[in-house]
Amino acid sequence: KQEVTQIPAALSVPEGENLVLNCSFTDSAIYNLQWFRQDPGKGLTSLLLIQSSQREQTSGRLNASLDKSSGRSTLYIAASQPGDSATYLCAVKNDYKLSFGAGTTVTVRA
Amino acid sequence: GAVVSQHPSRVICKSGTSVKIECRSLDFQATTMFWYRQFPKKSLMLMATSNEGSKATYEQGVEKDKFLINHASLTLSTLTVTSAHPEDSSFYICSALRTRSTDTQYFGPGTRLTVL
Repeated sequence: KQEVTQIPAALSVPEGENLVLNCSFTDSAIYNLQWFRQDPGKGLTSLLLIQSSQREQTSGRLNASLDKSSGRSTLYIAASQPGDSATYLCAVKNDYKLSFGAGTTVTVRA
Repeated sequence: GAVVSQHPSRVICKSGTSVKIECRSLDFQATTMFWYRQFPKKSLMLMATSNEGSKATYEQGVEKDKFLINHASLTLSTLTVTSAHPEDSSFYICSALRTRSTDTQYFGPGTRLTVL
């Protein structure tokens, strides 16, 4: 059974600082890995999707890396802004199923 | 494109009643839809996979008689929580997989269920 762990569970940084969010998974036979953003009481917004054959994906200030063999992914958010405050979820896909981590709740202080 | 809606967004009901939650893909057809449950500060837990025109596949530990899923069309799946109890209170999120795609799931905004 796939287990997905996200560390830290919560993070508070001043505006402008770079964010580093970690995700680890136990079964490296994944199809892809996805990072989501979730605002309180809301659904999920997909941020980045990395296929198993890829090493990283970038979108604006966001960069996600994937090391499938070691079962790790890192999401970098450059020059954080208060609007980046949210919970960030990592999910890995095996077969048709997505397995989610519990998320990292980020607070960016103005 | 690729918008998924859920209705209602919030529902409060009395213990023992049944509640139906709808998940719709608004601008695409979805052969497969997924239902998740999320507890506070916990990860999303897959409850079941819903395939249009066939019976849903439930994950281990999920009571199929309690959580009834119907996927009658390519744009609509429903989750009915039968004889709801306070422990069923949770955030329920659906997602839809575009027909002929195995890649991206598009998520709905979620439904907050509170059972008194």
